Amino acid sequence: KAGVTQTPRYLIKTRGQQVTLSCSPISGHRSVSWYQQTPGQGLQFLFEYFSETQRNKGNFPGRFSGRQFSNSRSEMNVSTLELGDSALYLCASSSLTGAASEQYFGPGTRLTVT
Amino acid sequence: AQSVTQLGSHVSVSEGALVLLRCNYSSSVPPYLFWYVQYPNQGLQLLLKYTTGATLVKGINGFEAEFKKSETSFHLTKPSAHMSDAAEYFCAVSVTGANNLFFGTGTRLTVIP
Repeated sequence: KAGVTQTPRYLIKTRGQQVTLSCSPISGHRSVSWYQQTPGQGLQFLFEYFSETQRNKGNFPGRFSGRQFSNSRSEMNVSTLELGDSALYLCASSSLTGAASEQYFGPGTRLTVT
Repeated sequence: AQSVTQLGSHVSVSEGALVLLRCNYSSSVPPYLFWYVQYPNQGLQLLLKYTTGATLVKGINGFEAEFKKSETSFHLTKPSAHMSDAAEYFCAVSVTGANNLFFGTGTRLTVIP
């Protein structure tokens, strides 16, 4: 079974631009969660989608948004990029939603904002 | 609110020696606890998880962790370190009904030949 895939793997954007990242979960998984990883703040939860509905949201500004499609693929969008948005963005999929669910992570998209 | 504290941002052990990575959690309700490993330029891989039941949890690659409620700890151990264990390790907690994990700051494990 193929793992979680994320595209693109690397991205360079300019401050003020917007960016869209994509995540394809493991086949059959309906939950997709997004995390931001930075050296200063570590790993932080952004949001989770389950069956096309946002289930939970972390403490990030409204510039960060996401959505999930009927095939469970998910996208996250960051508008008006700031230098501090430079990070590794990780996507994780799970067959269920709930605190005991095992999450499987993709390799991440490394976003650099200049 | 829930949080995780990992003591020691860097740990070095000799090949063949015991690996002990410390994790303490804070939670007002019974937590679900996880250990993940991250190799350079890769995502996170689940090593093991504690939900309910047996407090000693065995994971992949010879790792195990023991949930100690009285000490609010979930330390990760491996009897004998291997060079391939060199990576960054993250402890995480979840208590709500959704898949939002709260991660510790990570411990980078170096294995000395």
